[in-house]
Amino acid sequence: NAGVTQTPKFQVLKTGQSMTLQCAQDMNHNSMYWYRQDPGMGLRLIYYSASEGTTDKGEVPNGYNVSRLNKREFSLRLESAAPSQTSVYFCASSGRLERHETDTQYFGPGTRLTVL
Amino acid sequence: RKEVEQDPGPFNVPEGATVAFNCTYSNSASQSFFWYRQDCRKEPKLLMSVYSSGNEDGRFTAQLNRASQYISLLIRDSKLSDSATYLCVVRGYSTLTFGKGTMLLVSP
Repeated sequence: NAGVTQTPKFQVLKTGQSMTLQCAQDMNHNSMYWYRQDPGMGLRLIYYSASEGTTDKGEVPNGYNVSRLNKREFSLRLESAAPSQTSVYFCASSGRLERHETDTQYFGPGTRLTVL
Repeated sequence: RKEVEQDPGPFNVPEGATVAFNCTYSNSASQSFFWYRQDCRKEPKLLMSVYSSGNEDGRFTAQLNRASQYISLLIRDSKLSDSATYLCVVRGYSTLTFGKGTMLLVSP
């Protein structure tokens, strides 16, 4: 199993350009998440999808849109990139295994995005 | 008060030392608690869950005090390979809240 995969690994954009970050998981997890990580700020949740067909805003959703394409894939789109969106973006997934177990989030390797 | 607060770092310790990380959380309705480890320029990975009764995994011991809203991680006999950032994580109803992390540097 590959776990959680993300593409691209690195990207440089100019202000105003758009792009989509792709995420896929092969663990049959119901829930998927997008985070950004900035120095001194820790991981902050952008959007999440508790199950296929649903998406919800996290702590910092402004400037982003998401699509839960199917159970495996959850994409993050920047419609008009801004320098403030320079960050490392992590996708994660989780699935409750047994009723008494808490779900563990598994992270992808991250996308390092620079907006000039 | 921030939702999840951790000791500021970095912690510099020699090999073999015992080191303790502390964390406090503000939401008394929090349901689950974890420690994640993040190596430099890598993704976070679950180190261990934290249970009310306390739990141990080899050299790592985690404790939870719900009354004080306090979580701790103790690492005994530190190894060079323990050098990383340790993230305290709290789960609410459906999402996780991460602390900013504490960096540990273990030196020979």
